[in-house]
Amino acid sequence: AQSVTQPDIHITVSEGASLELRCNYSYGATPYLFWYVQSPGQGLQLLLKYFSGDTLVQGIKGFEAEFKRSQSSFNLRKPSVHWSDAAEYFCAVGPSGNTPLVFGKGTRLSVIA
Amino acid sequence: DAGVIQSPRHEVTEMGQEVTLRCKPISGHDYLFWYRQTMMRGLELLIYFNNNVPIDDSGMPEDRFSAKMPNASFSTLKIQPSEPRDSAVYFCASSVWDKPYSEQYFGPGTRLTVT
Repeated sequence: AQSVTQPDIHITVSEGASLELRCNYSYGATPYLFWYVQSPGQGLQLLLKYFSGDTLVQGIKGFEAEFKRSQSSFNLRKPSVHWSDAAEYFCAVGPSGNTPLVFGKGTRLSVIA
Repeated sequence: DAGVIQSPRHEVTEMGQEVTLRCKPISGHDYLFWYRQTMMRGLELLIYFNNNVPIDDSGMPEDRFSAKMPNASFSTLKIQPSEPRDSAVYFCASSVWDKPYSEQYFGPGTRLTVT
């Protein structure tokens, strides 16, 4: 069965510091992986996605993620966090973008001055 | 493009009442998904459609829930009768097949509170 684990429920970082959000997945075939961001009271916005090719993918808002098959991980990173990055971040997996996604429970990011 | 449109954005109702949530997918998209988000269970799929036909409704909690897609530009999710445990945020998302690496676009969600 497909599953996604985001080990960190809540992370607090200082503005300007680097960020890494962890995501581990369980999937029987080649996974299609996503990171979404949800601001309070808003829907989910896609940050980036991975299906094949270069294992380091670039997304919007300066985010990147690295796919590591051997570790079943797809961690999200940003070199310098801005206060506007405070939000909830969700990792998701599925066989494609046209099939139901399985989401992690999310990581809430707080940014302090 | 207007994005995925959901209405209402907020709904407060009393237990036992019928609730109808509405979704307009992005024009040209042929997949539509209904997800529910709760604190306890996170984001879960309820049902999804392809070309207006339900493909998988195994996530629908029980017979009180029903979903329809009468045409390519409109879908409803109905709860009758509603119960307090149905309180959640309900998201609609859409995607299109002909993109090489498709992705789901989410609406802003409907926050449902059943008292």
